[in-house]
Amino acid sequence: AQSVTQLDSHVSVSEGTPVLLRCNYSSSYSPSLFWYVQHPNKGLQLLLKYTSAATLVKGINGFEAEFKKSETSFHLTKPSAHMSDAAEYFCVVSGYSSASKIIFGSGTRLSIRP
Amino acid sequence: DTAVSQTPKYLVTQMGNDKSIKCEQNLGHDTMYWYKQDSKKFLKIMFSYNNKELIINETVPNRFSPKSPDKAHLNLHINSLELGDSAVYFCASSQGGQGAKNIQYFGAGTRLSVL
Repeated sequence: AQSVTQLDSHVSVSEGTPVLLRCNYSSSYSPSLFWYVQHPNKGLQLLLKYTSAATLVKGINGFEAEFKKSETSFHLTKPSAHMSDAAEYFCVVSGYSSASKIIFGSGTRLSIRP
Repeated sequence: DTAVSQTPKYLVTQMGNDKSIKCEQNLGHDTMYWYKQDSKKFLKIMFSYNNKELIINETVPNRFSPKSPDKAHLNLHINSLELGDSAVYFCASSQGGQGAKNIQYFGAGTRLSVL
């Protein structure tokens, strides 16, 4: 069975400060993990993915995430927040094939203070 | 060109009506999906098709019927619409297969409002 938990429903940071969005997962086999971003009234865009290669994954717009098997975590970070980063972020766990169940986390809303 | 396109973008209709949402992808992908996003932003997979064959069918009322005329299209037909069907519906596609080929590309969504 798989599950994913996003630990914060809302995170607010000041522009220029670091961002940390937390995600923990549970999977009975090696998962694929993703972070997606959804800007208001828009579709979902892939930020980055982990698929059993390097554990530190770099994505678009300066985001990165580290897969930590011992902690079952896949937290999303960015060194310096920008106003355009304000959006909803989803952590996703999937099995290895397209027939595997795909589970979305409940989302974390990121707000950026000027 | 939009990779995954859904129509319509907005759909407002009365309870009891039947409506369809269309989805097309021009990425050459083998697998397509439908998701429902509720008012709390929670996303849940409804269906997945691979090469026109149903591979994932979550617990969804049988008023919802996906149809895949070819692997580039996956349409969603909803009968006897209910208030609780109001949501944003997202279509997605992926290459299918393992690992990185399972990355999904999403359409912009269809906002369905049932009055």
